[in-house]
Amino acid sequence: NAGVTQTPKFQVLKTGQSMTLQCAQDMNHEYMSWYRQDPGMGLRLIHYSVGAGITDQGEVPNGYNVSRSTTEDFPLRLLSAAPSQTSVYFCASSSHKKVPVGNEQFFGPGTRLTVL
Amino acid sequence: GNSVTQMEGPVTLSEEAFLTINCTYTATGYPSLFWYVQYPGEGLQLLLKATKADDKGSNKGFEATYRKETTSFHLEKGSVQVSDSAVYFCAPAGGYSTLTFGKGTMLLVSP
Repeated sequence: NAGVTQTPKFQVLKTGQSMTLQCAQDMNHEYMSWYRQDPGMGLRLIHYSVGAGITDQGEVPNGYNVSRSTTEDFPLRLLSAAPSQTSVYFCASSSHKKVPVGNEQFFGPGTRLTVL
Repeated sequence: GNSVTQMEGPVTLSEEAFLTINCTYTATGYPSLFWYVQYPGEGLQLLLKATKADDKGSNKGFEATYRKETTSFHLEKGSVQVSDSAVYFCAPAGGYSTLTFGKGTMLLVSP
């Protein structure tokens, strides 16, 4: 199993450009999430999905869109990039089995995004 | 929502020293608790977890006990190594297994 994969590893954008960060998992996990990591801030939840066709907002959703058309894929779209979106982005997935409250999340290697 | 307070870093230790990284949290109910580790330039890996009160999670010599009364999940290791240098994150689980992270504690171990 490849686990959770993310592409690209690095990306530089200009302000106003759009792009999609790709995330895929091969563990048949129902739950998937996107986090951003900024220095001194830990990781913060952007959006998450509990299954194909179902997404919801996390703590910092503004400026980002997501969709979940398949169990495997959960892309994150930046509609109009801003310098404040310079960050490292991590995708994660976990099993939906409720044993008990909260299952381990498996993280991808991250995408380092710089917006000029 | 959940929140986490971790001790500020960096924590600087000599090899074979004892390590404690404090973590306290606020959460609804009794969520699973996790410690994740991030080595330089890498993603996050699960270090250990505990799923109910008084559970002790352990891995690679690290331990943490789920203390419901004090809402704490402190990380300990009896003898650190240079290879343990990394950033450590405490995180309670929220709805649908989403995580609320602390700001992270950097550990630097010198030979």
